[in-house]
Amino acid sequence: DVVMTQTPPSLSVAIGQSVSISCKSSQSLVYSDGKTYLHWLLQSSGRSPKRLIYQVSNLDSGVPDRFSGTGSQKDFTLKISRVEAKDLGVYYCAQTTHFPWTFGGGTKLELK
Amino acid sequence: EVQLVESGGGLVQPGASLKLSCVASGFTFSDYWMSWVRQTPGKTMEWIGDIKYDGSYTNYAPSLKNRFTISRDNAKSTLYLQMSNVRSEDTATYYCTSMGSGYWGQGVMVTVSS
Repeated sequence: DVVMTQTPPSLSVAIGQSVSISCKSSQSLVYSDGKTYLHWLLQSSGRSPKRLIYQVSNLDSGVPDRFSGTGSQKDFTLKISRVEAKDLGVYYCAQTTHFPWTFGGGTKLELK
Repeated sequence: EVQLVESGGGLVQPGASLKLSCVASGFTFSDYWMSWVRQTPGKTMEWIGDIKYDGSYTNYAPSLKNRFTISRDNAKSTLYLQMSNVRSEDTATYYCTSMGSGYWGQGVMVTVSS
């Protein structure tokens, strides 16, 4: 199975700050079609996960451009600029390139 | 508005069987591959498997393949997860999702305990 390693496990942030979350995979996530199926999800407290970014850098509809995703092959980063209170929760990376699909362990974003 | 509504969870004894359902609305269900994902009490996310849009093909996590079966009824826009011989480690919140489209249900809790 592809192991997804997220760091850090938790982050304390002040409103308005910028933060980055790292996600590293044990194998390249480039699929045979040339696309990279690495996604970012946010799970706010008591809610179901919500996808924010798909295929490394594409924002889902309604996701503010304060969020950005970068990376390639095995190394990916989610950046949140000017953090707002509604951004708090647990962020997960997920890969759907290789079966079985796997998730990172999560990064909890909290208020400082 | 896209909605995925799971049901069928609850408290179940070890060794029993349970069938979860997920009713979809707001999109053309029969056009999408669908998956089940579970989240343990410790918040670990685990993909269970998926099913092709016409129900003709399934993929499973190897560790669950022998006990879990995914099916669908496109006429009812409903996805199913049949769980058999459940164990305490199956205790989790179960989500139906179209991971390719980013749709997630609200989840249903399953607790396996005697």
